[in-house]
Amino acid sequence: TQLLEQSPQFLSIQEGENLTVYCNSSSVFSSLQWYRQEPGEGPVLLVTVVTGGEVKKLKRLTFQFGDARKDSSLHITAAQPGDTGLYLCAVTQGGSEKLVFGKGTKLTVNP
Amino acid sequence: ETGVTQTPRHLVMGMTNKKSLKCEQHLGHNAMYWYKQSAKKPLELMFVYNFKEQTENNSVPSRFSPECPNSSHLFLHLHTLQPEDSALYLCASSQDRADPGRAGELFFGEGSRLTVL
Repeated sequence: TQLLEQSPQFLSIQEGENLTVYCNSSSVFSSLQWYRQEPGEGPVLLVTVVTGGEVKKLKRLTFQFGDARKDSSLHITAAQPGDTGLYLCAVTQGGSEKLVFGKGTKLTVNP
Repeated sequence: ETGVTQTPRHLVMGMTNKKSLKCEQHLGHNAMYWYKQSAKKPLELMFVYNFKEQTENNSVPSRFSPECPNSSHLFLHLHTLQPEDSALYLCASSQDRADPGRAGELFFGEGSRLTVL
C-alpha cells in the first residue's frame, strides 16, 4: 500500500488548457512538497506547504494543502509546453524529517 | 544548474563489474542523499549522510556501498549488481533544518542512468 496516491498517473493536454493534479493519503502530514522533474533532469522544488488549508501561488500554478493535512492539489492555468514534466509530491510525517515521495503525475502539454 | 553535479550521466555495466557513481555539491549543504528512481515506482531513499556521518540506510543491499569523504562529496560504489538494479540514481543535498519534522528543500543532481546487463 502506497502512503501517497497521485492522480492522474498520466495527463496529456493541449497548450492553453487548465488542469489539476492530486496527491492523496489517509495519513496526516507535517509538511508537503511539490517537485517538478523535467525529462533528463532531477526534481526541482516548486513549493512547501505546512498549514492545513494553505494556498500558495507561483505564477500560473496554485497549490492547496487540505484542511486536514492529508491531501493536496496542484492547479495549472493556461498550461504551456514548458510545464511538461513529472510532478511529484513528497511528505514528512510526525517528527520525522524523512521525505516520502509519490509516484508522480506525468504531464505532457502539446503545442 | 542546481549546484549538485553527478557523474557519469550514463553507465552500462555487467553484473561482475565494479563501478562508482560520484556526486558533488557546491551549495555548502551538510546533508547528502542517494535516491533510486525506477519506472512505475516512487523515488526510493537509499542513504542519508549528515556531516559525513551516515544517518539512514534504507535496507539497501550490500552490493551498494556509499562513501562520504566530506560534506561536499558523495560516492556510490557498485559491485555484482543485478539487472533489476537498472534505474536512475539521484543524488541530493540539503541544509540542516532548524524545525524537526519539516523537510527542507532537496536540491537534486541530474542523475546517473545505470543499466546493468
